[in-house]
Amino acid sequence: KQEVTQIPAALSVPEGENLVLNCSFTDSAIYNLQWFRQDPGKGLTSLLLIQSSQREQTSGRLNASLDKSSGRSTLYIAASQPGDSATYLCAAMEYGNKLVFGAGTILRVKS
Amino acid sequence: ETGVTQTPRHLVMGMTNKKSLKCEQHLGHNAMYWYKQSAKKPLELMFVYSLEERVENNSVPSRFSPECPNSSHLFLHLHTLQPEDSALYLCASSPQTGGARNNEQFFGPGTRLTVL
Repeated sequence: KQEVTQIPAALSVPEGENLVLNCSFTDSAIYNLQWFRQDPGKGLTSLLLIQSSQREQTSGRLNASLDKSSGRSTLYIAASQPGDSATYLCAAMEYGNKLVFGAGTILRVKS
Repeated sequence: ETGVTQTPRHLVMGMTNKKSLKCEQHLGHNAMYWYKQSAKKPLELMFVYSLEERVENNSVPSRFSPECPNSSHLFLHLHTLQPEDSALYLCASSPQTGGARNNEQFFGPGTRLTVL
């Protein structure tokens, strides 16, 4: 059974810092790995999707990498801003379009 | 806006009530999903519909009954719920029905359900 773990559970950084969020998964037979952002009480906003054949994806200040063999993905946020404060979720897609989510990392960027 | 809408956004119901959650996607997608997000637990997949046919039921109690009348609409019918069913219920859709590396899921804003 696929298990997804995210470290750290919470992170507080000053504005302007570069930061890395970690995600690990136990079964490497995935179709893709997706990173989402969730603001309090809201739905999920898709940030990046890395296909299983890809190593990384970039969007603006965000860069996500994927290492299937080691079961790891990282989300790198450059020059963090207070507006980046949210919960970040990673999810591994399995056969049958099933997304298995981690518990998330709560990020707070202080101004 | 992700192109996936959910109504109502908030719902309070008693354990003997019957209510329904509605999800609509305006993206022309072929697969739709229900997820449950409880406090301090990861998001859990409840149901998967592919071209209006249910293809996955993650051992969800029968007090939750999904309905997918067409590829744009998805309902979750609720009856005799328990207080522990209080959670954020999220709907999602994706373009493709089968496994595909680029099959991205788009989520609605969710319905915050409280069962008294």
